[in-house]
Amino acid sequence: AQKITQTQPGMFVQEKEAVTLDCTYDTSDQSYGLFWYKQPSSGEMIFLIYQGSYDEQNATEGRYSLNFQKARKSANLVISASQLGDSAMYFCAMREEWWGGSQGNLIFGKGTKLSVKP
Amino acid sequence: SQTIHQWPATLVQPVGSPLSLECTVEGTSNPNLYWYRQAAGRGLQLLFYSVGIGQISSEVPQNLSASRPQDRQFILSSKKLLLSDSGFYLCAWRQDRSSGNTIYFGEGSWLTVV
Repeated sequence: AQKITQTQPGMFVQEKEAVTLDCTYDTSDQSYGLFWYKQPSSGEMIFLIYQGSYDEQNATEGRYSLNFQKARKSANLVISASQLGDSAMYFCAMREEWWGGSQGNLIFGKGTKLSVKP
Repeated sequence: SQTIHQWPATLVQPVGSPLSLECTVEGTSNPNLYWYRQAAGRGLQLLFYSVGIGQISSEVPQNLSASRPQDRQFILSSKKLLLSDSGFYLCAWRQDRSSGNTIYFGEGSWLTVV
């Protein structure tokens, strides 16, 4: 069975500094997708970044990058130049994928609460 | 562009009362639709998903049900709410089952059962 583990319940970072949020996963699937979502206090889940298991390059989206280490089964999110608006819960998620399709059902970790200090 | 809306945003319901949460997606056709629940301090749990009108798959047995009467409409219901049904409910959609397509979420509905 698939499982996502986020070991950091809470993290603090100084404004303008970089922060890494940890995510490890467990799956027997050969092909899968990894996602990160941001959930501010309003509750909305905001998609941040996606990494396919066969992608050779680490995914990047603006200030977000995904440090994908397949052998270690980790998919850490790196936020560069933190901003006060980055304070939120962050969830790592995964799903099985195969060439041309996927189950589409995301499995989520329990999240990490990031607080950015001014 | 595609948008997803769900309502009501907040509701407080007594134990044993019915529930109806509605979700609609605009700007797309034949999306995959999902209902997730997030209990306080926990991650998201998939409740139901649908790949087409009238097609509902349940992931967790409970007193909730889902229906998809129209292509872009997804409804979460209960005949009699339990205290344990309290939580944050999120509707989500996805274009199709292609690899890499992400799931996008609505604004969420806060349900408190008293």
